[in-house]
Amino acid sequence: NAGVTQTPKFQVLKTGQSMTLQCAQDMNHEYMSWYRQDPGMGLRLIHYSVGAGITDQGEVPNGYNVSRSTTEDFPLRLLSAAPSQTSVYFCASTQEGINSPLHFGNGTRLTVT
Amino acid sequence: AQSVTQLDSHVSVSEGTPVLLRCNYSSSYSPSLFWYVQHPNKGLQLLLKYTSAATLVKGINGFEAEFKKSETSFHLTKPSAHMSDAAEYFCVVSLLGSGYSTLTFGKGTMLLVSP
Repeated sequence: NAGVTQTPKFQVLKTGQSMTLQCAQDMNHEYMSWYRQDPGMGLRLIHYSVGAGITDQGEVPNGYNVSRSTTEDFPLRLLSAAPSQTSVYFCASTQEGINSPLHFGNGTRLTVT
Repeated sequence: AQSVTQLDSHVSVSEGTPVLLRCNYSSSYSPSLFWYVQHPNKGLQLLLKYTSAATLVKGINGFEAEFKKSETSFHLTKPSAHMSDAAEYFCVVSLLGSGYSTLTFGKGTMLLVSP
């Protein structure tokens, strides 16, 4: 059982480039979310989805887009990368809502130069 | 509004000694509380959760936490540290019955375990 899979593990971008961080889960979870982790900041929610076709913004959505065409996949798009988006990004999923434990991927470490 | 404060950014212990990681929260409603652990270059893993049942919650790997409403605290403890416990620990608060977006993470406590 793979759980939550994120690709790539590492990425370096130049300012202004765009890219997509991939996230896939094989647990048939309805809820999926993207967080960014910065030193001393904990995790901050970027976007989340409560099911296929439904997405919403979290705490820090600016500069990021998401879509949810299937239950399994929840990609995160950086439209025009900025150095402030240098961070570690985590995708998480859960079975049935906010009080169920989150299952995290192993993260994508992104550097924007 | 809700918030969570982890009182120590770093905690150092010797192997075999007790562990105490402190967490205080503020919430206008009955909260659910979680502790997650993150080992280097890994995602977060659930240690334990409190959702208004027993106030003393037992988790994995010998950890436990006690919910104290009067002190608005949810401290994480372990009687005897092991080298494999070295990791970063996050306290998380959510509102019962609220929307999915209202999980709030603490800034984390790095646990260092020396031989």
